[in-house]
Amino acid sequence: EAGVTQFPSHSVIEKGQTVTLRCDPISGHDNLYWYRRVMGKEIKFLLHFVKESKQDESGMPNNRFLAERTGGTYSTLKVQPAELEDSGVYFCASSRRGLAGLSIETQYFGPGTRLLVL
Amino acid sequence: AQKVTQAQTEISVVEKEDVTLDCVYETRDTTYYLFWYKQPPSGELVFLIRRNSFDEQNEISGRYSWNFQKSTSSFNFTITASQVVDSAVYFCALSANFGNEKLTFGTGTRLTIIP
Repeated sequence: EAGVTQFPSHSVIEKGQTVTLRCDPISGHDNLYWYRRVMGKEIKFLLHFVKESKQDESGMPNNRFLAERTGGTYSTLKVQPAELEDSGVYFCASSRRGLAGLSIETQYFGPGTRLLVL
Repeated sequence: AQKVTQAQTEISVVEKEDVTLDCVYETRDTTYYLFWYKQPPSGELVFLIRRNSFDEQNEISGRYSWNFQKSTSSFNFTITASQVVDSAVYFCALSANFGNEKLTFGTGTRLTIIP
C-alpha cells in the first residue's frame, strides 16, 4: 500500500508569488489533514477534510491560504501571495474514519514540502 | 484546549545507553489518544505508537517502550540500548476531538546517538 505522497518536496519562491502544494493520501482514507512546522516550533494543525468537505479550517493562518480536495481524493494547498512568514515545512496526513465517538484513527504523514519564501 | 509539553529540547547519549524522552499532556477530555512520531534526518514523520486513555498498560516493542501514567499526565518513551539509527526528532502528540481528530504536537525532542 502506497503511503501519503506530497509534491513538490521543496519549493523556493519570492515574496508575492503563488505556490501550490499537493497531497495524495493513502487510498481509502477519508480524512486528510494539513499541518505546518515553522522553523524550530511545534507542528501546527491547519485544516481537516472529510472526503471533499472541510471539517475544520480553524488553523488556517489567513485568507492567503486556500485548500481544496475536489472529488475527495488528492488535496491542494495554495498560498497566494506568499509572505516571508509562510516559510516552513508543510505536512499532509491521512487516516481512516474512526467509529463515531468511539475511536481516533492513526494519522499517517507524508514526507512534507519544504517551502522557503525569499 | 489541549497542550503537549516536551521539556527536553535536545538529548545526546552514547550508543548502547538507554534514554527516556518525556511527554506531559493537558486535556479536559476524559477520552483521548496519545501518539509518538519519529522524524529522521530524511524529514518524514513516522508513526510509532497510538494509545487511548483507557489503556494504561505499558507497551514494549523491541527496544522501544512506553510508560503511560494518567496520574501524572505523562506518556514517556524509552529506547533501550540505543543505536545510531535512533537519532531523530521525536514528537509526542494528543488528539481528543472525535469527529475532528486534529493532533496537538509537542515541540519535539532532538535525540542524537553518539557512536
